[in-house]
Amino acid sequence: AQSVTQLGSHVSVSEGALVLLRCNYSSSVPPYLFWYVQYPNQGLQLLLKYTSAATLVKGINGFEAEFKKSETSFHLTKPSAHMRDAAEYFCAVSTGANSKLTFGKGITLSVRP
Amino acid sequence: NAGVTQTPKFQVLKTGQSMTLQCAQDMNHEYMSWYRQDPGMGLRLIHYSVGAGITDQGEVPNGYNVSRSTTEDFPLRLLSAAPSQTSVYFCASSSTTTTEAFFGQGTRLTVV
Repeated sequence: AQSVTQLGSHVSVSEGALVLLRCNYSSSVPPYLFWYVQYPNQGLQLLLKYTSAATLVKGINGFEAEFKKSETSFHLTKPSAHMRDAAEYFCAVSTGANSKLTFGKGITLSVRP
Repeated sequence: NAGVTQTPKFQVLKTGQSMTLQCAQDMNHEYMSWYRQDPGMGLRLIHYSVGAGITDQGEVPNGYNVSRSTTEDFPLRLLSAAPSQTSVYFCASSSTTTTEAFFGQGTRLTVV
């Protein structure tokens, strides 16, 4: 069975500070990994995805994530936070074309002025 | 492009009532799914479909039915609403689960 663990439910950073949101996965086969963002009262939208082409994945809005097989991790980072980055972030895993897409519990990012 | 359209956006039901949440996509995606979102629980998969005529259960299927008679539509039926089904429901579609999933705007359901 596949699963995703997002430790902590809330991260608060100052504007301009580094953003680091952690995601660890469990999968018996090579995974497909995703980060989605949800702004208030909206659906989710894709930030970036890992599909084995490259371990460092760049996404929209300056976010990137690095796949580390040895650590079973796919942490999301952004060098400098903006106020507009305040949202809820979800890590998700899939194991193949017709497998389920499983989400973590999500992390709320707050950005202080 | 409309993408994924969910209706209604808001609904209040009384305990025991039934209703159908509608989901339609215009991207010719084979994979469609329903999630519920509750505070501190993330998104939990209710049911999913890998193509017309094929459905399967997710993590929390009890109390919900689905069908997939066409590629475009994937309605979610609540048979006898319970307060525990108060939640925000999201429909999503994708070509497969290895590609980007597109989400609807959600349906906020309250069962009293």
